[in-house]
Amino acid sequence: QVQLQESGPGLVKPSETLSLTCTVSGGSISSSFWSWIRQPPGKGLEWIGYIYFSGSTYYNPSLKSRVTISLDTSKNQFSLKLNTVTAADTAVYYCARAGVPAAAFDPWGQGTLVTVPS
Amino acid sequence: QSALTQPPSASGSPGQSVTISCTGTSSDVGAYNYVSWYQQHPGKAPKLMISEVSKRPSGVPDRFSGSKSGNTASLTVSGLQAEDEADYYCISYAGSNNYVFGPGTKVTVL
Repeated sequence: QVQLQESGPGLVKPSETLSLTCTVSGGSISSSFWSWIRQPPGKGLEWIGYIYFSGSTYYNPSLKSRVTISLDTSKNQFSLKLNTVTAADTAVYYCARAGVPAAAFDPWGQGTLVTVPS
Repeated sequence: QSALTQPPSASGSPGQSVTISCTGTSSDVGAYNYVSWYQQHPGKAPKLMISEVSKRPSGVPDRFSGSKSGNTASLTVSGLQAEDEADYYCISYAGSNNYVFGPGTKVTVL
């Protein structure tokens, strides 16, 4: 079955760019939508955006100006870049396959904590 | 601040039922049959329990069921078991390739 795994730095300095990669195994990334979702410590979930295998992207309006999601079909990976980060961007970042528009995110990666010190 | 409203907590004894509400607006929950529910245990990734209001993915016990009336969706857990103790989140499609989330409900098995 499809499995996802996030990777990237666990600490990012304020004003710099957060970069994460999600590696998909057990299936091809050249189908479906692929999404990023985050969860600040002790808080709820926030949808960041998703990318279709064609390369079309859709972002949360509240983050749109700072977010880029891209796809690397040769590596079966998709990536997240969030620029000009602040402490408010500290969160566990999850990647997930997205059922669009059904809001069916499944499966999910295990998540990776990214800390932006204040 | 979350766009959807959920009660912060709910509880029930083993074997009982618990229902969690998820209230949105006529622009999200009320407009589309695209509400999903997720279970999250501490330190774990969320798990899809219900999609499209009432569809149960393969492997999810039939104790979990979903429904919707107007701008409010609901998740019911029947025959409550100890392993059902977790946080539950609702998500709704809000049109224009956008999604809104609820703040989560902590379910306690007494």
